[in-house]
Amino acid sequence: DAGVTQSPTHLIKTRGQQVTLRCSPKSGHDTVSWYQQALGQGPQFIFQYYEEEERQRGNFPDRFSGHQFPNYSSELNVNALLLGDSALYLCASNTGTSGRGGYEQYFGPGTRLTVT
Amino acid sequence: DAKTTQPPSMDCAEGRAANLPCNHSTISGNEYVYWYRQIHSQGPQYIIHGLKNNETNEMASLIITEDRKSSTLILPHATLRDTAVYYCIVRPITQGGSEKLVFGKGMKLTVNP
Repeated sequence: DAGVTQSPTHLIKTRGQQVTLRCSPKSGHDTVSWYQQALGQGPQFIFQYYEEEERQRGNFPDRFSGHQFPNYSSELNVNALLLGDSALYLCASNTGTSGRGGYEQYFGPGTRLTVT
Repeated sequence: DAKTTQPPSMDCAEGRAANLPCNHSTISGNEYVYWYRQIHSQGPQYIIHGLKNNETNEMASLIITEDRKSSTLILPHATLRDTAVYYCIVRPITQGGSEKLVFGKGMKLTVNP
């Protein structure tokens, strides 16, 4: 059973460019969340997708947008890249049903984005 | 903002039990305590969670105080592979699994040979 997968692993972009990151959730999961992790910090929630719609959003500008496809995979798009967008971008998936009332999120390995 | 407080770092000898503390004095009745860890340059890994009873799984044990204002994650026999940043998170449980995780800076556990 494949876990959460993300592509690409690493990416280098120039200020002002646009980037698209991709995520495939764990089999059986229908909810995808995206997090940004700056060096030395904990991950920060960007947004969450469920049933192809953005369900909730963290404190990130509109330059950050996303999409979820019918197969539950997801994309994170960042426009007009800034140097401060350099970070590890993590995708996490979960299911909306759990026998113990817990909805453990399973994380992918992340995409390391460097903006120069 | 994160609702938990953890010491920034801790050392532990290999083979010994590692007891990782966490304070969550403002926890609400419908909030669970979750623990994740992140090994260098990897995604966070779920360890365990609990509401008010002590919990144990193949990775660790979670001890929550009776007033639920603090908890301890116990790794019974720490190995070098347990060296990681450990995050204690409180999180409400809602139907549909919509709640996000709010991470703090976590605690760096170093297991020494």
